[in-house]
Amino acid sequence: QVQLQESGPGLVKPSQTLSLTCTVSGASIITGGDYWNWIRQHPGKGLEWIGYIYYNGDTYYNPSLKSRVSMSVDTSRNRFSLRLPSVTAADTAVYYCVRARGPTPLKYYFDYWGQGTPVTVSS
Amino acid sequence: DIQMTQSPSSLSASVGDRVTITCRASQSITGYLNWYQQQPGKAPKLLIYATSTLQSGVPSRFSGSGSGTDFSLTISSLQPEDFATYYCQQSYSPTFGQGTKVEIK
Repeated sequence: QVQLQESGPGLVKPSQTLSLTCTVSGASIITGGDYWNWIRQHPGKGLEWIGYIYYNGDTYYNPSLKSRVSMSVDTSRNRFSLRLPSVTAADTAVYYCVRARGPTPLKYYFDYWGQGTPVTVSS
Repeated sequence: DIQMTQSPSSLSASVGDRVTITCRASQSITGYLNWYQQQPGKAPKLLIYATSTLQSGVPSRFSGSGSGTDFSLTISSLQPEDFATYYCQQSYSPTFGQGTKVEIK
């Protein structure tokens, strides 16, 4: 059973850095064809894809967030992380870590989701 | 960005009804078109991927179709557990539709 679990602070002050980690169990993060994503959902709103990282460190970010986002992967601990600096209230959301699977980096689907972790940006 | 527009934004239906949700892309989809179901307070759940392939474990009353810019999700006979919000998603630099909330009539 594949499981993803987000961890990190639930409250971040404006202008500080949001850092989240996703620990994967039941699957190896180095499996080819699996892409490790972050997706967020603003309160009462729809879903916004943030980006993905592949086990070899390749990344692909949402163009609207590309200048602020960075992701990293720790294959020895089977986990990956998100870093979002200079946060504002607009970054308040539930953050999901998600596995994507597919034949190519542009043809895939999100099949396993973490439960989501709420992050509030407030002083 | 490819914009995804779902219609309707919400609908009311009864148990046993046939329900269809449509999703229109701002340009022809070259990646996958996928559908998700989200219950309140829960993570989304994959229903259908690559337009029409049913994810393992998903009931056969769910089906998907479409091509190019126009896609649809159909629930053939609505069950109580199907009242939820549904999202379409395209996978080329992924974007989601705004969601369709299916409520009990």
